[in-house]
Amino acid sequence: DAKTTQPDSMESTEGETVHLPCSHATISGNEYIYWYRQVPLQGPEYVTHGLQQNTTNSMAFLAIASDRKSSTLILPHVSLRDAAVYHCIRMQGTGSKLSFGKGAKLTVSP
Amino acid sequence: GGIITQTPKFLIGQEGQKLTLKCQQNFNHDTMYWYRQDSGKGLRLIYYSITENDLQKGDLSEGYDASREKKSSFSLTVTSAQKNEMAVFLCASRAGCQNTLYFGAGTRLSVL
Repeated sequence: DAKTTQPDSMESTEGETVHLPCSHATISGNEYIYWYRQVPLQGPEYVTHGLQQNTTNSMAFLAIASDRKSSTLILPHVSLRDAAVYHCIRMQGTGSKLSFGKGAKLTVSP
Repeated sequence: GGIITQTPKFLIGQEGQKLTLKCQQNFNHDTMYWYRQDSGKGLRLIYYSITENDLQKGDLSEGYDASREKKSSFSLTVTSAQKNEMAVFLCASRAGCQNTLYFGAGTRLSVL
């Protein structure tokens, strides 16, 4: 049970801003929202994370709903290199079981 | 920066064979994980370990054994490979006080 819900796939075109949604309606107060992305033949890599406030880094902007039941990963001006499977997961503070779902496959067209 | 090394990168086995996959990390992380990923599916947790000599079962532990004899290494054994089985096994680690997971590149298993 991955405990998050994402669309199976999304399509975009180079230069667009992409919004990847994630639903986590049963999230607990001490659980962070983490995003990872995975390209073929590699393991997932960290993108960003947040608890309550929106966050931004060089890769993406994470918008978290005020009730924390959903979040959106925003990728500005996507390029072909952003094509990947994006995983949204819930993580608690210390060593614990971590479940991943299928993730959302982002396709980027030239 | 650190790195997670998984060996071998590719593993071909025979039905019924016992197969061992190895994972080494030089982050000095406390917690390590083994996941299985089948084509087009999510990552399923097999085993994890929060410290040396600790083992915790995940959702898919049946058919697997694991060993954490050193903080830096975590091994996974497929106790009896299943015919036509194909999957990628991913190892990951994270520090006890930080949440970011770091993954290896994976071991690709094929069973003839």
